[in-house]
Amino acid sequence: RKEVEQDPGPFNVPEGATVAFNCTYSNSASQSFFWYRQDCRKEPKLLMSVYSSGNEDGRFTAQLNRASQYISLLIRDSKLSDSATYLCVVMVGTGGFKTIFGAGTRLFVKA
Amino acid sequence: DTAVSQTPKYLVTQMGNDKSIKCEQNLGHDTMYWYKQDSKKFLKIMFSYNNKELIINETVPNRFSPKSPDKAHLNLHINSLELGDSAVYFCASSQDDVSYEQYFGPGTRLTVT
Repeated sequence: RKEVEQDPGPFNVPEGATVAFNCTYSNSASQSFFWYRQDCRKEPKLLMSVYSSGNEDGRFTAQLNRASQYISLLIRDSKLSDSATYLCVVMVGTGGFKTIFGAGTRLFVKA
Repeated sequence: DTAVSQTPKYLVTQMGNDKSIKCEQNLGHDTMYWYKQDSKKFLKIMFSYNNKELIINETVPNRFSPKSPDKAHLNLHINSLELGDSAVYFCASSQDDVSYEQYFGPGTRLTVT
């Protein structure tokens, strides 16, 4: 079982749609959680951190369920510019933090 | 102004050669990383340095040797290149080894023929 698993997609949605991505992680000692965004042929960039209480940044909402070891990202009112790969990221601390990236979920938003 | 820079951006070389990739960050961060992103787009950590000291060394062939001359630089030297080494290599940095955000360089696309 992979340490961080995501549905690779692709998700093809029209502009204005709401889309949700899920991610599961296997290590219950995981301590910090994030969503990164990677555009085609570009480097990953932090989109947002994920907390148990949930957090929202404009059209983006992230949630963490520690009991189920599950992370989600919701994008409302999708824009063409949201087309990218969304990477679920987990940090596991065992005397030094290790960052584990999921393989990513590809999103295409079309006009 | 570039926060994390890598050179070269593209590297095409033959099997058996030795090559280096350089990385520099001007953010004043203490921690730097090397990642490999293969053809399936899976991004995997290779090494992590904190204040020039190695703190994470994943299962990477010993043909790969990182070197950190100071905390702003982390270079990656690869000996006896193999076809399977073809990938995009990303350097990244973070404030420290427990910080949330990592800043990535633009990547080095290595092709071994």
